Amino acid sequence: DAGVTQSPTHLIKTRGQQVTLRCSPKSGHDTVSWYQQALGQGPQFIFQYYEEEERQRGNFPDRFSGHQFPNYSSELNVNALLLGDSALYLCASSLVSRGWLGEAFFGQGTRLTVV
Amino acid sequence: KNEVEQSPQNLTAQEGEFITINCSYSVGISALHWLQQHPGGGIVSLFMLSSGKKKHGRLIATINIQEKHSSLHITASHPRDSAVYICAVRSETSGSRLTFGEGTQLTVNP
Repeated sequence: DAGVTQSPTHLIKTRGQQVTLRCSPKSGHDTVSWYQQALGQGPQFIFQYYEEEERQRGNFPDRFSGHQFPNYSSELNVNALLLGDSALYLCASSLVSRGWLGEAFFGQGTRLTVV
Repeated sequence: KNEVEQSPQNLTAQEGEFITINCSYSVGISALHWLQQHPGGGIVSLFMLSSGKKKHGRLIATINIQEKHSSLHITASHPRDSAVYICAVRSETSGSRLTFGEGTQLTVNP
């Protein structure tokens, strides 16, 4: 049973460019959450997708957008990249029917460096 | 003030020592998670708690809902336990969204 997989693992982009990160949830999971983790800090919630819609959003600008596909996989898009967007981007999946009882499983993350 | 506070920020121990990492939170929660993060980034869930105590191998997690406090204990620590340990909570109103502490960097020396 594959866990949560993210791609790519590492990425270097230039300021002003756009980037797309991908996440496949754990088999059987239907909810995907994205987190940004700056160096030396805890992860910060970006947004969550369920039934192909954004259900919750953290305090991130509109440059951060996402999508969820019918197979539950998800993309995170960041436009007009800033140096401050350099971080580890983590994807977590869960099963909405489990509610708060549902454990979240995390991917290995995508390390984004903006130069 | 962060909703989730961890202490200490950094912890160095000798192999075999008993280790405690603390987590305090300021919101009503439905669940609290203890997570482990190794260099390279991947996060592994160690425990999910809503009350009482859980044990898995050398790891023990406790939570006191009234005091809004949780502890993670590692008995007979080993160098392979070296990692960042992160406390995260699901608030009563946030569904499955997690709010994380800043993490505790643990180094266990042989």
